[in-house]
Parts: sequence; structure tokens; C-alpha cells
Amino acid sequence: KAGVTQTPRYLIKTRGQQVTLSCSPISGHRSVSWYQQTPGQGLQFLFEYFSETQRNKGNFPGRFSGRQFSNSRSEMNVSTLELGDSALYLCASRSGLAGGQYNEQFFGPGTRLTVL
Amino acid sequence: QQQVKQSPQSLIVQKGGISIINCAYENTAFDYFPWYQQFPGKGPALLIAIRPDVSEKKEGRFTISFNKSAKQFSLHIMDSQPGDSATYFCAAVTGGSYIPTFGRGTSLIVHP
Repeated sequence: KAGVTQTPRYLIKTRGQQVTLSCSPISGHRSVSWYQQTPGQGLQFLFEYFSETQRNKGNFPGRFSGRQFSNSRSEMNVSTLELGDSALYLCASRSGLAGGQYNEQFFGPGTRLTVL
Repeated sequence: QQQVKQSPQSLIVQKGGISIINCAYENTAFDYFPWYQQFPGKGPALLIAIRPDVSEKKEGRFTISFNKSAKQFSLHIMDSQPGDSATYFCAAVTGGSYIPTFGRGTSLIVHP
């Protein structure tokens, strides 16, 4: 079974621009979560989508948004980029069946975003 | 507020030695405690996990010790190998959210 894929792997943008990152989950997984990883703050949760609906949201400004499509693929958008947005953005998928026990999540390799 | 505190930030051990990473939490609603291993250029991958109804779980050279009363848990890597060199994250999850709260990570280097 193919793993979680993220595109692009590397991205360089300038302040004020916007960026869209893409994530394809493991086949059959309906939940997709996004995380920001930085040396200073570690792994921080951005949001989770399940069946095209945002189910959980972390403590990030509204410049960070996402969506999920009917095939479970997800995109994350960051508008008006700031230097501090430079980070590794990780996507993780899991089956996400509501009401069940914790389903393990599988991470993609991430998108390295550099904001100049 | 950091809900899961992880230490040390970095760790250097010799091949064959024992690596120990510690984590502490405050939220008693956490009911699942996974550890992740991350190699450079890769996303984190689940290494081993434990629920609070057991005090220890072992998988090969990796062992989680869990102390519910102290709200602490630790990862022990026995017979550490250079291939174990990676960043390790502890995490804690509440059943309601299924979203892990991560520790800050420990960079482990195992010298040959």
C-alpha cells in the first residue's frame, strides 16, 4: 500500500505571497491532519479534516486554511506569507473512523517551505 | 503552555549503550502515549505506543515505561545502534480528539 505523499517537497516563496501544499493520504484513510514542524516550536497541530469537514483545529491564525476533497486528498493554504512561516509542513493520514479507538496516523515526508 | 515536556533535548551514546528519553504530562485526560522516530528528510513514524493501564511495553530493543501516578513515561533503547540515530518524539493523545500533543523532541546520536 502506498504511503502518504506530499507535493511539492521543497518550496521557496517571498513574504506576502501565498502557497498551496498538497497531500494524498493512504488509500482508504478518511482523516488528514496537517502539522507545522520548526526547530523552535517542534511539531504543532494545524488542523484535521475528515470526510471533507474540518474536525479539529489548532491555534494558528486564519492565514492558515485547508480543505479536503471527496477522494480524501487535502490541500493546505497559507496566505500573506511571513518569514516565521518557514517550516516543514507535515501531512498525516489515518482511517479516522469516529467513535473508535485511536487510529494510528502515518506521516508523509513533508514539504519544506522557505519564506524569503 | 507545553503540555508534554520531553528531555533531554539531545543525547549522545556509544554503540551498545542504553538510551533513555523521558516525558512528563499534566493532562490526566491523555489516554494513549505513542513514541515517534524521525530520520532526516522523513516524516515521523510510529515506533511504539502504550496505554495507561499497563506499566511497561517492550518491542524488541525498545521499551516504554509508564508511571501513571507520576504522570511520566520514558523510552528505553537497549543495545543502541548507529542506525538508531534520529529524532524521537513522545506524544500524548486524548480519546476525544485523537490528535497527539507532541514533546519537543530528542536528537539521539549513537556513536559506532
